[in-house]
Amino acid sequence: NAGVTQTPKFQVLKTGQSMTLQCAQDMNHNSMYWYRQDPGMGLRLIYYSASEGTTDKGEVPNGYNVSRLNKREFSLRLESAAPSQTSVYFCASSPGKRRLSTDTQYFGPGTRLTVL
Amino acid sequence: GENVEQHPSTLSVQEGDSAVIKCTYSDSASNYFPWYKQELGKRPQLIIDIRSNVGEKKDQRIAVTLNKTAKHFSLHITETQPEDSAVYFCAASTSRVYSGGGADGLTFGKGTHLIIQP
Repeated sequence: NAGVTQTPKFQVLKTGQSMTLQCAQDMNHNSMYWYRQDPGMGLRLIYYSASEGTTDKGEVPNGYNVSRLNKREFSLRLESAAPSQTSVYFCASSPGKRRLSTDTQYFGPGTRLTVL
Repeated sequence: GENVEQHPSTLSVQEGDSAVIKCTYSDSASNYFPWYKQELGKRPQLIIDIRSNVGEKKDQRIAVTLNKTAKHFSLHITETQPEDSAVYFCAASTSRVYSGGGADGLTFGKGTHLIIQP
């Protein structure tokens, strides 16, 4: 079991460029999440998906789009990157189906993104 | 939505001493409180969690206490060791559904940098 995997590990973009961060889990979990982590800010929820085909906004969704491609994969897209999106991005998954599950969340290794 | 405050932001203790990190939350509907440990450059990893029907939970050197009346919960680490050095995050989760949507699920504190002095 690889758990939660993310690609790429590092990425540098120029302002205005687009890119997609990939996340996959092999634990047969229903719920998946995208967080961003900034120094001194903790982790903040960007988007959430309770099941294939459903997504919900989190605390900081502006500037991002997501796709729950199937049960395993949940991608995060930046259509026009801005320096304010420089951050470490973590994907996570949990077993529960409910939008507000209290199940344990398991995190991927993170993607370190720099926007110049 | 939920708001989680975590203190202190930095905590330095001598090896072998105890460390306590405290968090408060705002939403009385919150019912799940996990603690995550994050080493430099690594992913957050769950170390212990507690649900609202329990007041205390222990796992070897780590314990978490919950006071629902006061809306605060704490992480206690006894007999600290060098490998305990890391950033620790508390979080709170509610099952309440807000009609306007928004930020539900886990809300994290801003983290405590725990330093174990040899």
